[in-house]
Amino acid sequence: EVQLVESGGGLVKPGGSLRLSCAASGFVFRTYTMNWVRQAPGKGLEWVSTISSSGSYIYYADSLKGRFTISRDNAKSSLYLQMNSLRAEDTGVYFCARGDDYGEHDYWGQGTLVTVSS
Amino acid sequence: EIVLTQSPGTLSLSPGERATLSCRASQSVSSSYLAWYQQKPGQAPRLLIYGASSRATDIPDRFSGSGSGTDFILTISRLEPEDFAVYYCQQYVNSQFIFGPGTKVDVK
Repeated sequence: EVQLVESGGGLVKPGGSLRLSCAASGFVFRTYTMNWVRQAPGKGLEWVSTISSSGSYIYYADSLKGRFTISRDNAKSSLYLQMNSLRAEDTGVYFCARGDDYGEHDYWGQGTLVTVSS
Repeated sequence: EIVLTQSPGTLSLSPGERATLSCRASQSVSSSYLAWYQQKPGQAPRLLIYGASSRATDIPDRFSGSGSGTDFILTISRLEPEDFAVYYCQQYVNSQFIFGPGTKVDVK
């Protein structure tokens, strides 16, 4: 059974940093593209970042302006999102999701809540 | 920049009725990269349709997708109680994923 479990969310002050993790199991992690998607309270889904299976290709939403860094450790079947210079508008639930052949996000974690507030 | 527009914003229907949800792209996109998701309150999204018309694993056949170019449709042939949720379309283009704003299907 495919499982994705996010962790690392919490309350952080504006300008602070946070590192999210996503532990994967039930599939061969090193062969799949992985994604981060976020959702502000009461709002829709917003794609954040994608990393290819080997980590060679990385893409970010233009709106992030270099504040976030995606990475992965295939030996640990883990995905990460380093978030710096956090702003109130970064508040929301962050989901990790597996990417399939045409980019569709076929499995999702339950999400981890990030709250940016003073 | 491609924008996805979903309509209607809210669809009020009764169980057993047919639901037709629209996703329109601001310019022509590849149907291979068009997906639909369902999200219920407090839950993660669930993949329903990929490649515009292929059902994902374990998705009931009352869900179907169609369309090409700029206009895509998600149809739920007969609404079951568990189908009342928010539905998002998603497109992959130029190394970016774009989500539509969503359509909420609620009980009339």
